Amino acid sequence: SQLAEENSWALSVHEGESVTVNCSYKTSITALQWYRQKSGKGPAQLILIRSNEREKRNGRLRATLDTSSQSSSLSITATRCEDTAVYFCATYYAQGLTFGLGTRVSVFP
Amino acid sequence: GGIITQTPKFLIGQEGQKLTLKCQQNFNHDTMYWYRQDSGKGLRLIYYSITENDLQKGDLSEGYDASREKKSSFSLTVTSAQKNEMAVFLCASHRGTGNQDTQYFGPGTRLLVL
Repeated sequence: SQLAEENSWALSVHEGESVTVNCSYKTSITALQWYRQKSGKGPAQLILIRSNEREKRNGRLRATLDTSSQSSSLSITATRCEDTAVYFCATYYAQGLTFGLGTRVSVFP
Repeated sequence: GGIITQTPKFLIGQEGQKLTLKCQQNFNHDTMYWYRQDSGKGLRLIYYSITENDLQKGDLSEGYDASREKKSSFSLTVTSAQKNEMAVFLCASHRGTGNQDTQYFGPGTRLLVL
């Protein structure tokens, strides 16, 4: 099973609405990363949140981290059609990142 | 800024064929990775390299070889392509050798084996 995994397979929202992707992980971590992958592209990092941080923001994105429950969330406010993508949480395992299976977020006009 | 280039973008092979995928980065990053992405299975680590001529196996290394002859390039070889295999191979790099760094990904090579 995955060391980090998102809790939803797919989410759909309309433009302007907010959406939250949740993630749970199984090992102690020093940091958790959120990536976005658009169709036909490689993943791109959105936010890196360290284990001593509870919240991190990047524009319309907000990530939270709860080390006691080993969970994280990524919220996107004022969504746009271009936010349509697969969102992954990822943690380091040995030297590589271990990714969840991803949550497909679709934003409709 | 920098960029990761992967070639070819699409690769169609025959069963049993040896296939080589190439990755170049101009970030001057130390560590490079190869991941395999299958539909519904997330990304899985095949090989990584922390410096020139270094190779480390990931969880999925069986059936693959890798080569890091220069700091800027990292190649992956599928030693014997499996019939009906279909996956995306992603190359990534990051600056240091620590475990909090951002990884930068290339656009991927899409493999189809007939």
